[in-house]
Amino acid sequence: SQKIEQNSEALNIQEGKTATLTCNYTNYSPAYLQWYRQDPGRGPVFLLLIRENEKEKRKERLKVTFDTTLKQSLFHITASQPADSATYLCALDYGGQNFVFGPGTRLSVLP
Amino acid sequence: SQTIHQWPATLVQPVGSPLSLECTVEGTSNPNLYWYRQAAGRGLQLLFYSVGIGQISSEVPQNLSASRPQDRQFILSSKKLLLSDSGFYLCAWRPGLASYEQYFGPGTRLTVT
Repeated sequence: SQKIEQNSEALNIQEGKTATLTCNYTNYSPAYLQWYRQDPGRGPVFLLLIRENEKEKRKERLKVTFDTTLKQSLFHITASQPADSATYLCALDYGGQNFVFGPGTRLSVLP
Repeated sequence: SQTIHQWPATLVQPVGSPLSLECTVEGTSNPNLYWYRQAAGRGLQLLFYSVGIGQISSEVPQNLSASRPQDRQFILSSKKLLLSDSGFYLCAWRPGLASYEQYFGPGTRLTVT
């Protein structure tokens, strides 16, 4: 079965630095890879989607890369702020109703 | 605009009691609907999805069931809760297969005692 790993369970960085979160998977690559933000006690919120034939996608301070050779996606937050502190989930979307969520990385941006 | 509601927000139930969680979506029609469970420190586990009224697909065998009595209403039920049913239950929707992101509700925290 598909296995997803997201770097460490928790990541602490200093305000103003770039946060880099990793999503690694086994088996075959998905058609789409999505990133979500989840605050404590809340439902996840969609951030970005990248297709298997795209190398990079940007949205404001967010950047996502997708390397199907390495079976890895990187999620970057530049000029990080304490308000960026949350859990970030990656999700593999194989099309139709076939998708899998990773366990998440809890990011803490320290002032 | 579209909104998704879940209730109750929190629930404490004894083992063996029944369960009914409700999810409704406003501002859209014929959405794909999903029930997930999230255990502490783990990813979202897809429990059920529905592409239309009365159409339910189960992803994980368990003592839970789902129903979709109306286009924008999705219900998660159990006849007898187990301790292992404790968790954070999330309902989500998406417009259809042409749109890939999912929109999640606020969730229900269920504690089975």
